[in-house]
Amino acid sequence: QQKVQQSPESLSVPEGGMASLNCTSSDRNFQYFWWYRQHSGEGPKALMSIFSDGDKKEGRFTAHLNKASLHVSLHIRDSQPSDSALYFCAASEHDYAQGLTFGLGTRVSVFP
Amino acid sequence: NSKVIQTPRYLVKGQGQKAKMRCIPEKGHPVVFWYQQNKNNEFKFLINFQNQEVLQQIDMTEKRFSAECPSNSPCSLEIQSSEAGDSALYLCASSHPGTANTGQLYFGEGSKLTVL
Repeated sequence: QQKVQQSPESLSVPEGGMASLNCTSSDRNFQYFWWYRQHSGEGPKALMSIFSDGDKKEGRFTAHLNKASLHVSLHIRDSQPSDSALYFCAASEHDYAQGLTFGLGTRVSVFP
Repeated sequence: NSKVIQTPRYLVKGQGQKAKMRCIPEKGHPVVFWYQQNKNNEFKFLINFQNQEVLQQIDMTEKRFSAECPSNSPCSLEIQSSEAGDSALYLCASSHPGTANTGQLYFGEGSKLTVL
């Protein structure tokens, strides 16, 4: 079973609309959560991190973490065509040697 | 643009052939990771290094895969005898002490291996 599960698998959003992505972890050792974005033909790039309960906003992106339920979400406001990509939720323990554990991703498509 | 440099971007090998990929981590980043991303987008951790020393590696890496991160040279990942199931995107990532404990990784663009 995947330790980091994402939903939905894919999402179509109109330009200017809101995209909402979800992520749940089954491992309570995870303390840090990340959202990574991967455009086709490129490597993943860190979008934002969230370590504390509550919301974190960076521009058009807002992440929310509920540590009790190990649920993380990402909301993309005013979606742009350039937001079309694979979005990965990733989690890490307090041990950098472990690296990141990734979910299987949500494919976001923004249509005009 | 990514500051982690991976070469080659693409390689095609026959079954049983060696496949070698290289990675130059971002300057000042002592920790280097190799991941395999398969066609289903699943990430599999392979091995990581800190200052040329192996920190952790999975069983698969210990058998057909070899990797090293010599000082003053690119890191490398080599598959001794390629199998069809090795076809994937191989991603190198690096991190520095300031962010390593939180897990932030800086990825290269990857080397896409196709085994015929």
